Amino acid sequence: GQSLEQPSEVTAVEGAIVQINCTYQTSGFYGLSWYQQHDGGAPTFLSYNALDGLEETGRFSSFLSRSDSYGYLLLQELQMKDSASYFCAVMDSSYKLIFGSGTRLLVRP
Amino acid sequence: GAVVSQHPSRVICKSGTSVKIECRSLDFQATTMFWYRQFPKQSLMLMATSNEGSKATYEQGVEKDKFLINHASLTLSTLTVTSAHPEDSSFYICSASDQGGDTQYFGPGTRLTVL
Repeated sequence: GQSLEQPSEVTAVEGAIVQINCTYQTSGFYGLSWYQQHDGGAPTFLSYNALDGLEETGRFSSFLSRSDSYGYLLLQELQMKDSASYFCAVMDSSYKLIFGSGTRLLVRP
Repeated sequence: GAVVSQHPSRVICKSGTSVKIECRSLDFQATTMFWYRQFPKQSLMLMATSNEGSKATYEQGVEKDKFLINHASLTLSTLTVTSAHPEDSSFYICSASDQGGDTQYFGPGTRLTVL
């Protein structure tokens, strides 16, 4: 089967750093993506890792280790507006996205 | 760039009626479009993959006769929910990828409520 595991909820304070982990088990793998979704909205693309290593985009960074079937999203200098759900998603060999169950991030003042 | 639109954003219909949802890529040609469904507090579940000019590929458990997908051009795909029932009430989201294929751009979603 295909599965992605990520924590269901994370709470952090404004200005802090938070890491959301994702482990996956899929039949094919092209890359790992991260999406942000605010309540009532559609997913917004954050990052994509096809190769091992760290990709940095502003306050957000994403890491991938293909040998460990593991990745994480790192959010720095947290802001209240970062409160949202974050989904990791594996792109399989047919370019389909398989989504994790989502991590609800709550940023407190 | 890479903007995807959906119409309508919200629809309420009576049980037994059909609803059509449009998905458009506004500034790029989408070789492939995807349709997802998301129930409250759950993840996105892929329903089908649609390539321009060919039949859609449905995921296991998705009724192709109930969820009709048409991908008539490189910028437009439609999903028709036929004979909708209350259990079809959900958030339907489309995405589109360009020829590179490694990034999907999501539309804003359509919230369907079947009474």
